[in-house]
Amino acid sequence: DTGVSQDPRHKITKRGQNVTFRCDPISEHNRLYWYRQTLGQGPEFLTYFQNEAQLEKSRLLSDRFSAERPKGSFSTLEIQRTEQGDSAMYLCASSWGTTNTEAFFGQGTRLTVV
Amino acid sequence: TQLLEQSPQFLSIQEGENLTVYCNSSSVFSSLQWYRQEPGEGPVLLVTVVTGGEVKKLKRLTFQFGDARKDSSLHITAAQPGDTGLYLCAGGDYGQNFVFGPGTRLSVLP
Repeated sequence: DTGVSQDPRHKITKRGQNVTFRCDPISEHNRLYWYRQTLGQGPEFLTYFQNEAQLEKSRLLSDRFSAERPKGSFSTLEIQRTEQGDSAMYLCASSWGTTNTEAFFGQGTRLTVV
Repeated sequence: TQLLEQSPQFLSIQEGENLTVYCNSSSVFSSLQWYRQEPGEGPVLLVTVVTGGEVKKLKRLTFQFGDARKDSSLHITAAQPGDTGLYLCAGGDYGQNFVFGPGTRLSVLP
């Protein structure tokens, strides 16, 4: 297993366009998390899944954001009608179990909205 | 809402020096993780501590979890330029998501 994989690594889009990111977690990890990180800050929680169920969503996740994990494996994060404030690194992480002892991150997707 | 604070925010030292960075919260966590992140990359997990008072060593890095499981420290002995990066602590709670601190940006000068 090669760890958490995110695609694409970089995305430049025009304001108003929709973008979709993909995350493939470590196989057999039942939990998957999405975080957003802006320059100089720590990661901010967006949402997480246990298997295919979305268990928690941050208030940061506006109506323009949606995440899915249809089969409990890979996940997608879609941002509709992107705004310049959406420019950030979007990080995906996965973990095993239900007691949250540790999470492993992918390399992230850097989004730039111009 | 659980919050984590980290200090110092920035630290610049010479190669060979020792340093300690701190992670503090008013909340109790079931576990605490330390990550190192380099520019343009995702955080890389260094260690997880779960027991109050626990001390873990990873080569020149020593991690301690506070007795009350509200705080943690990371001590680096004889820092090297390769230690340069953003050090993040994250608290985990049963059934909840991970909460991150803002990080300590370490620069080790040769």
